[in-house]
Amino acid sequence: AQSVTQLGSHVSVSEGALVLLRCNYSSSVPPYLFWYVQYPNQGLQLLLKYTSAATLVKGINDFEAEFKKSETSFHLTKPSAHMSDAAEYFCAVSDQSSNTGKLIFGQGTTLQVKP
Amino acid sequence: GAVVSQHPSWVICKSGTSVKIECRSLDFQATTMFWYRQFPKQSLMLMATSNEGSKATYEQGVEKDKFLINHASLTLSTLTVTSAHPEDSSFYICSAVGWTTNVREQYFGPGTRLTVT
Repeated sequence: AQSVTQLGSHVSVSEGALVLLRCNYSSSVPPYLFWYVQYPNQGLQLLLKYTSAATLVKGINDFEAEFKKSETSFHLTKPSAHMSDAAEYFCAVSDQSSNTGKLIFGQGTTLQVKP
Repeated sequence: GAVVSQHPSWVICKSGTSVKIECRSLDFQATTMFWYRQFPKQSLMLMATSNEGSKATYEQGVEKDKFLINHASLTLSTLTVTSAHPEDSSFYICSAVGWTTNVREQYFGPGTRLTVT
């Protein structure tokens, strides 16, 4: 069975500082992994996804994530936080080795950006 | 890019009534749609998988007679919450899977906020 664990339900950084949101996964099949962002009362926006190609994945708004099989991790980073990055972030794994299966989401991490 | 819409975006209904939520793929055909539920400050939980022309597959613990799903066409799936109660108040999000520009992708709708009074 597939699952994801996001370490830290709340992360606070200063504007301009590095953003690091942690995600560890468990998967019985080669994993397809995703990071989504959700702003209040809105749906999900895909930041990036890992689909078994390059292990370092670049997404929108300067976000990137690195797939590390040995650590079963897919942490999300951004070099310099902006105020507009304050939102809820979800890591997810597909239930099959594709990007079109049902997704199992982590608990979410709230990112706060301080001026 | 591909767009998935949901209607209504928010709805308030009285306890005991039923409410229907629509999920539409606007510029592609969706053979599969997923319905998720999100309680306040919580993550998304999959409720069911909807395949065009067949019965939906419900996740364990989701009452199929309470949450009726109909995927009648390749661009529309509906979720009907029957005999709604305050505990059904939640944010309901759908996603649609289909081919767009030679790539098979999954796209999320903007969500529907249901409040049962």
